[in-house]
Amino acid sequence: SAVISQKPSRDICQRGTSLTIQCQVDSQVTMMFWYRQQPGQSLTLIATANQGSEATYESGFVIDKFPISRPNLTFSTLTVSNMSPEDSSIYLCSAPGALDYGYTFGSGTRLTVV
Amino acid sequence: GENVEQHPSTLSVQEGDSAVIKCTYSDSASNYFPWYKQELGKGPQLIIDIRSNVGEKKDQRIAVTLNKTAKHFSLHITETQPEDSAVYFCATTTWGAQKLVFGQGTRLTINP
Repeated sequence: SAVISQKPSRDICQRGTSLTIQCQVDSQVTMMFWYRQQPGQSLTLIATANQGSEATYESGFVIDKFPISRPNLTFSTLTVSNMSPEDSSIYLCSAPGALDYGYTFGSGTRLTVV
Repeated sequence: GENVEQHPSTLSVQEGDSAVIKCTYSDSASNYFPWYKQELGKGPQLIIDIRSNVGEKKDQRIAVTLNKTAKHFSLHITETQPEDSAVYFCATTTWGAQKLVFGQGTRLTINP
């Protein structure tokens, strides 16, 4: 399975600012996924990031709020833009393993917006 | 779209006893069923998974069973230990969709 390094692990940000979260995978993967996990809740998919094309966003998430970059097959970033306290969550990236099974996750970014 | 229901939301068992967590799914095309363990402050960790062509899979104290007809799958943990205390999530995906849909999670507490 892929090993994913995610940073920052946590941050406290002022409302109205933006934060960029980075994920580095130790192998080349076609797709990477970004999730949000609100306090005490399950994981909700934000978008699927494909290398060389625009990300595909799930219902309720838009590119202007959560722009994603995927410059190569081992790296992706998620930006949380114009933050409000409602954006306070854990953000996680994920990538599949061989044959698109065995999805692994980064350690998460705990974001607090004040 | 796919919907995954997970029960119970909380589970407390005595150390050494067994724990069972169940999930039901709606999409009959679902073909991959992983289970994740999430400890406080960490990302989800894949602990076991099963594909739709297999009915049961075991890895030491952990097992997963799949009933495709009834569209449900279960996680079984035997001889529970304090370090098994965590939140557990089931998930499914469909070949081609390649995105996981998660259950609501089960907070498992092992009492010494």
